[in-house]
Amino acid sequence: DGGITQSPKYLFRKEGQNVTLSCEQNLNHDAMYWYRQDPGQGLRLIYYSQIVNDFQKGDIAEGYSVSREKKESFPLTVTSAQKNPTAFYLCASSSTIDRGAAFFGQGTRLTVV
Amino acid sequence: GQQLNQSPQSMFIQEGEDVSMNCTSSSIFNTWLWYKQDPGEGPVLLIALYKAGELTSNGRLTAQFGITRKDSFLNISASIPSDVGIYFCAGPLDYKLSFGAGTTVTVRA
Repeated sequence: DGGITQSPKYLFRKEGQNVTLSCEQNLNHDAMYWYRQDPGQGLRLIYYSQIVNDFQKGDIAEGYSVSREKKESFPLTVTSAQKNPTAFYLCASSSTIDRGAAFFGQGTRLTVV
Repeated sequence: GQQLNQSPQSMFIQEGEDVSMNCTSSSIFNTWLWYKQDPGEGPVLLIALYKAGELTSNGRLTAQFGITRKDSFLNISASIPSDVGIYFCAGPLDYKLSFGAGTTVTVRA
């Protein structure tokens, strides 16, 4: 089945630890995105990538890092520098960044204790 | 910041009603997307619009790409309980996919 997979669904980490969220797609899409969603809020863009080995900061990139070494994969690291990391994280991909509809993964709920 | 203005922010539906929501921007878009999100899940694409003036249906859902390319609306006809959720409009702008703040649809008691 083609799709976009995020793992894990739920993640718990201690304060001060870095944590990496996985996002894999087999849709052959060039563009991939990471969004953060807080309770009752909309989606805020963290990072996006138009093509392999290239990525750009979104609106709230501070405290996060990404890599795009393979077309299929766009992992997000939440670093200890992120002041309020507890949130619902969503990964998406689209065929192109300027026209293609984006498809989302199921999300990862990160809780930092 | 938010460049897509989505309204209403929330609405209550009664089963069988038709409901409508819209999205506007000061910028021109070449694609409009509408999504629905259920609690704890990722947004699901409902309708994609690629041409100004385009009117597209998906079952009880109908969406239109405004002629000015600065707005879009989504209609839900004959609403049913499973229509509750958060509806988002979205579009690519400045090489980023931007989202409206969402319209929360709830069943009227």
